[in-house]
Amino acid sequence: GNSVTQMEGPVTLSEEAFLTINCTYTATGYPSLFWYVQYPGEGLQLLLKATKADDKGSNKGFEATYRKETTSFHLEKGSVQVSDSAVYFCALGSSGTYKYIFGTGTRLKVLA
Amino acid sequence: ETGVTQSPTHLIKTRGQQVTLRCSSQSGHNTVSWYQQALGQGPQFIFQYYREEENGRGNFPPRFSGLQFPNYSSELNVNALELDDSALYLCASSGRELADTQYFGPGTRLTVL
Repeated sequence: GNSVTQMEGPVTLSEEAFLTINCTYTATGYPSLFWYVQYPGEGLQLLLKATKADDKGSNKGFEATYRKETTSFHLEKGSVQVSDSAVYFCALGSSGTYKYIFGTGTRLKVLA
Repeated sequence: ETGVTQSPTHLIKTRGQQVTLRCSSQSGHNTVSWYQQALGQGPQFIFQYYREEENGRGNFPPRFSGLQFPNYSSELNVNALELDDSALYLCASSGRELADTQYFGPGTRLTVL
């Protein structure tokens, strides 16, 4: 079946450091891929998405490229801020089921 | 434009009781999906409603049931609550197409004692 695997956290970085959170997926067909962010005590906010191979999603300095050949959708940011501290979820939305499959989440802590 | 709203914010129940959670979809959206997020885990799909009918279901027992109303708002009902039902319950609304993104509400935190 379809699945999403994320790198385990927590990831602790200093402010202005480069961020990479790895995400790989297994899916049949041509899924859409998403990154959501969850701040403490809140629901999920869409960070970015990509709906086909080689698409790049971007938002608020975050980027991720849909790589079909490596079945990956890694999240990157060039310079993190303390306010980026949150849990990040990679998700897959596949045809036919309309449900999203989420990874287990990666907690990011950015230190001033 | 109003986003997805959920009520109540927090809820405490005891084992064996029943609970109803509510969700109002975002303006223009006709599909509602419900997810359960246990502590430290990613959300797990419970079911989805489209045009007042269940459109897909995850690996949850029948005591998890739902409704969608003509205004596209939705309810999640859980009967015979168990301790393991303690979680954050998230509602997401979207359009009908695969490429239509799901937008999540703030969630309802359910604690079962």
